[in-house]
Amino acid sequence: EVQLVESGGGLVQPGGSLRLSCAASGFNFRSYWMHWVRQAPGKGLVWVSHILSDGSRITYADSVKGRFTVSRDNAKNTLYLQMNSLRVEDTAVYYCVRGWRYSYDYWGQGALVTVSS
Amino acid sequence: HSALTQPPSASGSPGQSVTISCTGTSSDVGVYDYVSWYQQYPDKAPKLMIYEVTKRPSGVPDRFSGSKSGNTASLTVSGLRAEDEADYYCSSYAGSNNWVFGGGTKLTVL
Repeated sequence: EVQLVESGGGLVQPGGSLRLSCAASGFNFRSYWMHWVRQAPGKGLVWVSHILSDGSRITYADSVKGRFTVSRDNAKNTLYLQMNSLRVEDTAVYYCVRGWRYSYDYWGQGALVTVSS
Repeated sequence: HSALTQPPSASGSPGQSVTISCTGTSSDVGVYDYVSWYQQYPDKAPKLMIYEVTKRPSGVPDRFSGSKSGNTASLTVSGLRAEDEADYYCSSYAGSNNWVFGGGTKLTVL
């Protein structure tokens, strides 16, 4: 069974940093593209970032470029999202998502990140 | 990349059909056959319903179908059932390893 489990969410002050982790199991993690998608409270889904299966190329939404860094450890079956210079508008549930045929076929349960003073 | 445009709401009675549109541009929906649709219940993670414009993953009822014409993709739900009441989002590949979502449509079963 495919499982994606996010951890590391919480409350952080504006300007602070947080790192999310996503533990993957039930599939050959190193063979799949992965994404981060976020959803602000009561709002829609927003694509945040994509990373190729070998980590050789990473792309970001303009809203997070230069502040967020995505990485993966294929030996540990884990995806990461390092978030720096956090803003109030970054408050959202962050989903770790498996990429498949240019869509997203498996989603984690989400990790809530709240940026507030 | 600007968000794709979806109507904020749609509705239909049980047994009826409803179609939700998703309008993009010639840089995303219009040029790539990589439109997907997601169903999301409150406080739950989204679920893939349609990929590559028209294809259904295993386990998705054939009451759900997708299509595309020009810069606009559509999701049709036929034979509406109470459990179809949810939020629906479209997504499109936008080139250069970038993706974009629509704003979401709340489907109400009357």
